Amino acid sequence: LAKTTQPISMDSYEGQEVNITCSHNNIATNDYITWYQQFPSQGPRFIIQGYKTKVTNEVASLFIPADRKSSTLSLPRVSLSDTAVYYCLVDWMDSSYKLIFGSGTRLLVRP
Amino acid sequence: GAVVSQHPSWVICKSGTSVKIECRSLDFQATTMFWYRQFPKQSLMLMATSNEGSKATYEQGVEKDKFLINHASLTLSTLTVTSAHPEDSSFYICSARDVQGDTEAFFGQGTRLTVV
Repeated sequence: LAKTTQPISMDSYEGQEVNITCSHNNIATNDYITWYQQFPSQGPRFIIQGYKTKVTNEVASLFIPADRKSSTLSLPRVSLSDTAVYYCLVDWMDSSYKLIFGSGTRLLVRP
Repeated sequence: GAVVSQHPSWVICKSGTSVKIECRSLDFQATTMFWYRQFPKQSLMLMATSNEGSKATYEQGVEKDKFLINHASLTLSTLTVTSAHPEDSSFYICSARDVQGDTEAFFGQGTRLTVV
């Protein structure tokens, strides 16, 4: 199981762009990179997933370099409601695959 | 999108009693579901893998006789905390993925268990 490493915490201000980088040096060929967001007392919520290069959806972008040993989640123009814990995981897209959570990054957005 | 529902959202029970938590996939079938436990300010810790029609697989250090898991159908898994003690108080979360396995995992909203 690939291990991921992320900063424990980050601070930002409303309206700024936030980039959270995750290291996954042992990622396997079949692994995808998935990011989840978790608010207190709620289950994690899927944000974005990618395999390589760049993926963008309505809430975030995910940048993955060619070697795939790291990835960066980019949140454009954060708001106070983006204060949450963000988890980076490697995911082998199989129904029996166990998702192992690392420590996550606790993002605090200040007014 | 796909929804995983947990019930109850919160429960308070007396020490020594048992509590059952349900996890349902509402619009897809799941041969495998996962149970996590999360303590305050900590990450999710995988407890066990629930397999439809067969025994659950427990992670190292998780007592299978204390945390009973039943996965009787493709849309329902239950976690029963037996003889609960205050140290079992935690946030329990389940997750599931469509049986075809080509989507992300979906998580329930979690169950807050408080043992008094």
